[in-house]
Amino acid sequence: KAGVTQTPRYLIKTRGQQVTLSCSPISGHRSVSWYQQTPGQGLQFLFEYFSETQRNKGNFPGRFSGRQFSNSRSEMNVSTLELGDSALYLCASSLETGPFYEQYFGPGTRLTVT
Amino acid sequence: AQSVTQLGSHVSVSEGALVLLRCNYSSSVPPYLFWYVQYPNQGLQLLLKYTSAATLVKGINGFEAEFKKSETSFHLTKPSAHMSDAAEYFCAVSFETGANNLFFGTGTRLTVIP
Repeated sequence: KAGVTQTPRYLIKTRGQQVTLSCSPISGHRSVSWYQQTPGQGLQFLFEYFSETQRNKGNFPGRFSGRQFSNSRSEMNVSTLELGDSALYLCASSLETGPFYEQYFGPGTRLTVT
Repeated sequence: AQSVTQLGSHVSVSEGALVLLRCNYSSSVPPYLFWYVQYPNQGLQLLLKYTSAATLVKGINGFEAEFKKSETSFHLTKPSAHMSDAAEYFCAVSFETGANNLFFGTGTRLTVIP
């Protein structure tokens, strides 16, 4: 079974631009979560989508948004990029939502904002 | 406030020696606890998790962790370190049964000395 895939793997953007990252979950998984990983702040939860609905949201500004499609694929969008948005963005999928279901992480998209 | 703390950002052990990575949590409700490993340029992989069943949890690659409520700890151990164990390890906690939002510790980088 194919794992979680994220595209693109690397991205360089300029301040003020916007960016869209994509995540394809493991087949059959309905929950997709997004995390931001930076050296300074570590791993932080962005949001979770389950059956096309946002279930939970972390403490990030409204510039960070996401959506999930009917095939469970998810995208996250960051508008008006800032230098501090440079990070590794990780996507994780699970069969259902909740701690009893293992979250499988993708390799991440490394975003660099210049 | 609910949080998770990993003591020691870097731990070095000799090959064959005991591995002990420390994790403490703060929570007013029963937590669900996890240990993840991250190899360079990869996503996170679940090592083991505690979801209120047995307090001693066995995971993959010979790792185990014990949930100690009185000490609010969930330390990760492995009797004998292998070179392949060199990676970054993250303790994570969830406080909700119906959500996938994990709170991560700051991580511990494990170095194995031959």
